[in-house]
Amino acid sequence: DTAVSQTPKYLVTQMGNDKSIKCEQNLGHDTMYWYKQDSKKFLKIMFSYNNKELIINETVPNRFSPKSPDKAHLNLHINSLELGDSAVYFCASSQEGRYYGYTFGSGTRLTVV
Amino acid sequence: GQQLNQSPQSMFIQEGEDVSMNCTSSSIFNTWLWYKQDPGEGPVLLIALYKAGELTSNGRLTAQFGITRKDSFLNISASIPSDVGIYFCAGENTGNQFYFGTGTSLTVIP
Repeated sequence: DTAVSQTPKYLVTQMGNDKSIKCEQNLGHDTMYWYKQDSKKFLKIMFSYNNKELIINETVPNRFSPKSPDKAHLNLHINSLELGDSAVYFCASSQEGRYYGYTFGSGTRLTVV
Repeated sequence: GQQLNQSPQSMFIQEGEDVSMNCTSSSIFNTWLWYKQDPGEGPVLLIALYKAGELTSNGRLTAQFGITRKDSFLNISASIPSDVGIYFCAGENTGNQFYFGTGTSLTVIP
């Protein structure tokens, strides 16, 4: 069973479109995250949710919005896609307490054309 | 966010050689983690370090939590082709938020 699963694996779309990426974790973790990995492979945190509360929101355009229907899901909605949004997006989850670190999904490669 | 710098940025080595890489920060961290990212996959946790000076091994991998708490080191002994990937350090100092390093790309030549 996949611990953190993301769909789709690949997403190609045109500028201006609205798209969503889904994430589910079956680990019973308290917190879920979205990371963006750019072409230089830098991992930048975008959002995290703990008990349905947004607890981290870095300087991310408001075109990006996380939606968490329950503790096991954190979806990422992106409006009015731009070329610069092309990247690999990773979902991750963690259990409260510093001994566990993050468990990552396998990523969604978004290409905006 | 806090910046963790990894060195070297990339490495090309022969199979069988040992590998050393490090991660430095201007801030003190309470926990250091090392991850490996295979091509097309998400990062996977390799080793976790919880106190200054700690030395922990996982097979051919050994990592150390620096005494100053501002750095960490990862060594891979007798590299093999499947060690190829990007290695990330991550540090935590404020609750459950981890900051990731810039990554070290490792290529192993058979």
